[in-house]
Amino acid sequence: LAKTTQPISMDSYEGQEVNITCSHNNIATNDYITWYQQFPSQGPRFIIQGYKTKVTNEVASLFIPADRKSSTLSLPRVSLSDTAVYYCLVGGPNFGNEKLTFGTGTRLTIIP
Amino acid sequence: DSGVTQTPKHLITATGQRVTLRCSPRSGDLSVYWYQQSLDQGLQFLIQYYNGEERAKGNILERFSAQQFPDLHSELNLSSLELGDSALYFCASSGGQGVSGANVLTFGAGSRLTVL
Repeated sequence: LAKTTQPISMDSYEGQEVNITCSHNNIATNDYITWYQQFPSQGPRFIIQGYKTKVTNEVASLFIPADRKSSTLSLPRVSLSDTAVYYCLVGGPNFGNEKLTFGTGTRLTIIP
Repeated sequence: DSGVTQTPKHLITATGQRVTLRCSPRSGDLSVYWYQQSLDQGLQFLIQYYNGEERAKGNILERFSAQQFPDLHSELNLSSLELGDSALYFCASSGGQGVSGANVLTFGAGSRLTVL
């Protein structure tokens, strides 16, 4: 199982770009990297997923270097509503038999 | 609405009691995962089922058990409840038939259990 390490917390001002990095040194060849967002008392919500290089969708970008031992979630121009806990999760293909274990997550606080 | 339905939303019970939490996965999803989240803590993986079979087990207590039924809904049974079992219990589903790529979990809204 690929263990993940993230900063416990981060603060940023509204309108700034926020980058959250996740370390996953023992990622396996068939593992994907997925990021989730969780608001208090709600279930986590999928943000973005990637395998290598860069992935971009309407809410975020995900940068993965060639060695895939880390990944960076980039949130452009954050707002107060982006205050949440962000988790990176490393796991294999669908139908796998594995313990999809979340790390401690990064508590992002956006300051007005 | 994520498509994953969990009931009940809230449950208050006493120590020593037994409760059952229910989860209906998103239509077409074959895998169900259960997670426990205590106050201000991370998500603890409990157990995974795929198409009725147990596939992976985390740090699930012996007092807890789960199963996935032929219609793919799942139940998490918690018995001999202790104060420390108070938590949010989340169910997530993934792995619809024909879907390739990695697991993307769709979470339900959770069941909040309070043990007094």
